[in-house]
Amino acid sequence: KNQVEQSPQSLIILEGKNCTLQCNYTVSPFSNLRWYKQDTGRGPVSLTIMTFSENTKSNGRYTATLDADTKQSSLHITASQLSDSASYICVVSAERGFQKLVFGTGTRLLVSP
Amino acid sequence: DVKVTQSSRYLVKRTGEKVFLECVQDMDHENMFWYRQDPGLGLRLIYFSYDVKMKEKGDIPEGYSVSREKKERFSLILESASTNQTSMYLCASTGTSGIHEQYFGPGTRLTVT
Repeated sequence: KNQVEQSPQSLIILEGKNCTLQCNYTVSPFSNLRWYKQDTGRGPVSLTIMTFSENTKSNGRYTATLDADTKQSSLHITASQLSDSASYICVVSAERGFQKLVFGTGTRLLVSP
Repeated sequence: DVKVTQSSRYLVKRTGEKVFLECVQDMDHENMFWYRQDPGLGLRLIYFSYDVKMKEKGDIPEGYSVSREKKERFSLILESASTNQTSMYLCASTGTSGIHEQYFGPGTRLTVT
């Protein structure tokens, strides 16, 4: 069964600190992996998309890594800001063409002043 | 910038009412999607459409129908709303070229009483 599991479920960090969110998946065939940021009461916004051949991708203070062999990904947030408080969702695309997406349940991050 | 808009941010309806949720995208995307998002469950696909008047069932289509009469507009219809359809509804669109990045609308929080 295609699944995406994220950890931790929730996380509280102090402003300015770094953090890493984890994503493990059992999705086949693999096409790409995405990280989305979702502010409370809003739609998800794409942070990064990585294909099989990419093992790291950055978007400002966000850096995603992908290990396609172990089927793991991480999202590292550097020098966190209050505006980073949101849910972060890992999504794996199961096939090309029509993009069958498998969603994780997200990690809820709270950055505290 | 891609823009996906949804007709309402918040809706309160009574059990048994017919409910229409509207979604409009301005990027000439072929593919449009309706998801619902519930705590602890992540996003689940209700229906998608890959062309005008074309539709496909997603993972949880029961109790829902859709309409796509124009390329830019995709409607989700709850024929007879029930309390278990209280949820956040998210519309998304994607093109057919490249990596098919999915763009989400802001969401409609529907409460059925």
